[in-house]
Amino acid sequence: DAGVIQSPRHEVTEMGQEVTLRCKPISGHDYLFWYRQTMMRGLELLIYFNNNVPIDDSGMPEDRFSAKMPNASFSTLKIQPSEPRDSAVYFCASSFGRSFSYGYTFGSGTRLTVV
Amino acid sequence: DQQVKQNSPSLSVQEGRISILNCDYTNSMFDYFLWYKKYPAEGPTFLISISSIKDKNEDGRFTVFLNKSAKHLSLHIVPSQPGDSAVYFCAASALTGNQFYFGTGTSLTVIP
Repeated sequence: DAGVIQSPRHEVTEMGQEVTLRCKPISGHDYLFWYRQTMMRGLELLIYFNNNVPIDDSGMPEDRFSAKMPNASFSTLKIQPSEPRDSAVYFCASSFGRSFSYGYTFGSGTRLTVV
Repeated sequence: DQQVKQNSPSLSVQEGRISILNCDYTNSMFDYFLWYKKYPAEGPTFLISISSIKDKNEDGRFTVFLNKSAKHLSLHIVPSQPGDSAVYFCAASALTGNQFYFGTGTSLTVIP
């Protein structure tokens, strides 16, 4: 398996532009998570899906952020409009079941820079 | 508020010596604890876990200790190797919870 695949790896955009981050989870995994990494707060959960259904989006910072999972093999995280404070590394992760003992498999992340 | 805290942003250790990374948590409902390792430009990868019914779990050079009364866990790496140089995240979850809460990470440098 190729693991969790995220694209793009790097994104530089101007303030006010729309940004779309993409994720392909591991085949067969039924949970998908979007995390954001910042120096101050570490890894923060933004939203997670179970069987393509959003379960908890309480970590989404504001209405500018939205996420979708139209099928089991694809998810997007969209920021519109983007702001400089959104600059961070965004990780997608997936798991089969809650996976308490082995955690999640993370993608390589998308480094977002908003100027 | 951070429910999982890693108060040491960085740690340097000589090759062959022991590395001890610490993690504190505030939620007594947490049942499962994980350590992840992260290299630059890569995602975190699972390293070792422990559940609250144990106080120690060992996997090769890596041992995790859990002190539930102190709400503290630590990761011991013996002997440390240069390839262990990475950022280490601890994470915690409750069986009834819906997510793993992560700390801010500790950057370990093992000096050859």
